[in-house]
Amino acid sequence: QITLKESGPTLVKPTQTLTLTCTFSGFSLSTSGVGVGWIRQPPGKALEWLALIYWNDDKRYSPSLKSRLTITKDTSKNQVVLTMTNMDPVDTATYYCAHRRYGMDVWGQGTTVTVSS
Amino acid sequence: QSALTQPASVSGSPGQSITISCTGTSSDVGGYNYVSWYQQHPGKAPKLMIYDVSNRPSGVSNRFSGSKSGNTASLTISGLQAEDEADYYCSSYTSSSTLEVFGTGTKVTVL
Repeated sequence: QITLKESGPTLVKPTQTLTLTCTFSGFSLSTSGVGVGWIRQPPGKALEWLALIYWNDDKRYSPSLKSRLTITKDTSKNQVVLTMTNMDPVDTATYYCAHRRYGMDVWGQGTTVTVSS
Repeated sequence: QSALTQPASVSGSPGQSITISCTGTSSDVGGYNYVSWYQQHPGKAPKLMIYDVSNRPSGVSNRFSGSKSGNTASLTISGLQAEDEADYYCSSYTSSSTLEVFGTGTKVTVL
């Protein structure tokens, strides 16, 4: 059974760097074709792709956020880490990580991040 | 990249069929067979309902089906049930980005 869980701060100040960790089980990120992605959803708004990392360390980023995002994986720890720099109140959202094999087929429960001074 | 266009809301009575459209361009929906559909109930994480245009993951009801024509993908829910009331999002691979793009989202209401 595949599970994923997001962790990180619930409150960050403007201009700070956000670091989120996705800890997963039930699969290996060294298996061909597998990826883990990050998606966010501001309150009452639509889903937004952030970043995706594949088993072969291929990394994909949202063009509009690319300069602020870094995604990395630690296969031995079964973790994927997303960092987002220069946080702003508009980045307030629920952040999800999800497993990708055929579509984003298993999602974490999400973690809510509020950006406020 | 621009979000894919979905109707803001679609409604239907129990037992009816409804169709949600997802309109993009030849650079995304029209150019690739990599369209997915997600269902999201309030306060919950999204759930994959359809991948690669028309494939259903194991465990998803066969009342849900996907298709594509030109630059528009569609999700059809047949035999509408109260539990189908949720938000639905499409997502597609796009050549204008190395990442996919989501649709604007559709709220389905069961009357």
